[in-house]
Amino acid sequence: GAVVSQHPSRVICKSGTSVKIECRSLDFQATTMFWYRQFPKQSLMLMATSNEGSKATYEQGVEKDKFLINHASLTLSTLTVTSAHPEDSSFYICSASEAAGNTIYFGEGSWLTVV
Amino acid sequence: KNEVEQSPQNLTAQEGEFITINCSYSVGISALHWLQQHPGGGIVSLFMLSSGKKKHGRLIATINIQEKHSSLHITASHPRDSAVYICAVWFNNDMRFGAGTRLTVKP
Repeated sequence: GAVVSQHPSRVICKSGTSVKIECRSLDFQATTMFWYRQFPKQSLMLMATSNEGSKATYEQGVEKDKFLINHASLTLSTLTVTSAHPEDSSFYICSASEAAGNTIYFGEGSWLTVV
Repeated sequence: KNEVEQSPQNLTAQEGEFITINCSYSVGISALHWLQQHPGGGIVSLFMLSSGKKKHGRLIATINIQEKHSSLHITASHPRDSAVYICAVWFNNDMRFGAGTRLTVKP
């Protein structure tokens, strides 16, 4: 079946630095990718929707200059957390779909710890 | 008001019991997903529904488009079913999520 791979699975970075998380669709072309954040014991919070070749659409309250999303190809989207702070520590998950309304496939998630 | 409401928030059951988790939504949707998230974070899409009923093993998902309601049923529940179950809907090329139901099945 379709697989979405996320990397890294865990990352620790220093406060003030930037960290990039990759999301790859391994055996299908993902025209739409989603990025989510999840706090402990809470549901997924959609951060942004990205369509290949166009700018990401951010949810209300998500800082687009802080969470840079790039979807330059049909198999890769990246989330860069810029100038990270400890409050950015969280579980970040991506998902991908061939088209809106189709089956979505989730990455394994990335645990970010900012120290 | 959330566009997607799930109930119950928490559910504890004994092994073997029949489980039902409900999802109601307030918008017109093109499809609904039931997701399972195990401790550690990994998420699996269990079902995608746009009408009717689907069955996979001990899991059954139903949707009533007119009533804007879906249910996830687990028959003969097992401790390995313990997870968070999340309802998610596609609408306007976007996704919205329920708050999740934390299921604990005790042996």
